[in-house]
Amino acid sequence: ETGVTQTPRHLVMGMTNKKSLKCEQHLGHNAMYWYKQSAKKPLELMFVYSLEERVENNSVPSRFSPECPNSSHLFLHLHTLQPEDSALYLCASSQDGPPVTNEKLFFGSGTQLSVL
Amino acid sequence: GNSVTQMEGPVTLSEEAFLTINCTYTATGYPSLFWYVQYPGEGLQLLLKATKADDKGSNKGFEATYRKETTSFHLEKGSVQVSDSAVYFCASNDYKLSFGAGTTVTVRA
Repeated sequence: ETGVTQTPRHLVMGMTNKKSLKCEQHLGHNAMYWYKQSAKKPLELMFVYSLEERVENNSVPSRFSPECPNSSHLFLHLHTLQPEDSALYLCASSQDGPPVTNEKLFFGSGTQLSVL
Repeated sequence: GNSVTQMEGPVTLSEEAFLTINCTYTATGYPSLFWYVQYPGEGLQLLLKATKADDKGSNKGFEATYRKETTSFHLEKGSVQVSDSAVYFCASNDYKLSFGAGTTVTVRA
């Protein structure tokens, strides 16, 4: 248990659906991250929030919409996804915002997303 | 910028076998290097790290040495167990964090 909880663990959705992924951290950290883990590809950083402000957005399509209502919660809203968006979506947190060294990142278990 | 390239998997081996997973990095400076492990159904956990050339990181029987001359940080374990079955990620931190694609390791009894 790393103190970062993601729900749901698994999600299957159609291309016309709207769904949300949730991440909650119980560590008192100030920064939260969304990563995409696709098979045989490097982990891709999608979004970074520091003190509830978005500080990084790595050319992610607009069908992914993040929301950080407070420093403990992070959401990823999904709409009109494509099959190639199927992946494991990982949330992470760190005490301080970027730049941050790897050992200060705490990861959740991820949401395995399948888009049909 | 910095990046890492690691050995493609999957890797399947028997208990007590020797494991090596290759990782090389590119960087403009002198990055810190890391190995992460992801057990089934879990998030990434830091396994070990090295912050400068010739440093050796070690944990749970795993070792990796920071080799500046070959820009490598290969992960090794002398005798694997079934419980070592996981996905292993090499990562670097120059001014930005970079992760490799992961290598799936399956250890059979």
